[in-house]
Amino acid sequence: ETGVTQTPRHLVMGMTNKKSLKCEQHLGHNAMYWYKQSAKKPLELMFVYSLEERVENNSVPSRFSPECPNSSHLFLHLHTLQPEDSALYLCASSFRSGGYTFGSGTRLTVV
Amino acid sequence: LAKTTQPISMDSYEGQEVNITCSHNNIATNDYITWYQQFPSQGPRFIIQGYKTKVTNEVASLFIPADRKSSTLSLPRVSLSDTAVYYCLVGEGGADGLTFGKGTHLIIQP
Repeated sequence: ETGVTQTPRHLVMGMTNKKSLKCEQHLGHNAMYWYKQSAKKPLELMFVYSLEERVENNSVPSRFSPECPNSSHLFLHLHTLQPEDSALYLCASSFRSGGYTFGSGTRLTVV
Repeated sequence: LAKTTQPISMDSYEGQEVNITCSHNNIATNDYITWYQQFPSQGPRFIIQGYKTKVTNEVASLFIPADRKSSTLSLPRVSLSDTAVYYCLVGEGGADGLTFGKGTHLIIQP
């Protein structure tokens, strides 16, 4: 256990479904991140939250909607996804400057 | 963010020392050099971070020359479980959001 917990570990959803990914950290970090890792591709930074405010979007499609209610929790709300959105979604946290601690990820399959 | 270049893959054998070099010619003054390890279907794990000279922890050593345009991750006496992808990242980190490259796929054989 890294200190960053992601749930669920696996998720299968249809293209018309709405689901949410959850990330929780109790490391006292004040920045949290969502990354996407598709098969045989580098990690792609999706969203950055620093002190609970979004600071980077990276042109992610609107079918992905992040939410950071407090410094310990981060959500990624999913709706009307496409099969190409199937990937490993990773959450990470850090202090404003410092190394990242990643969770184990959610393996998402869109059918 | 400074771009990094590292070998796509490397092979070695159990018990050997493995050195993975990363080039970052346009590193900025405030940038740190950080290495991560990733196993399949898991999140990357922080290995080591440095700014200049040499840093050592219980897992690895990081060598950074005076010009900081490259760095070398040294893994002593590797085992089969060290087979993974290793990423070199350069930046201030934190809320800047780190950009990962393709990394180096290290394969350790018996």
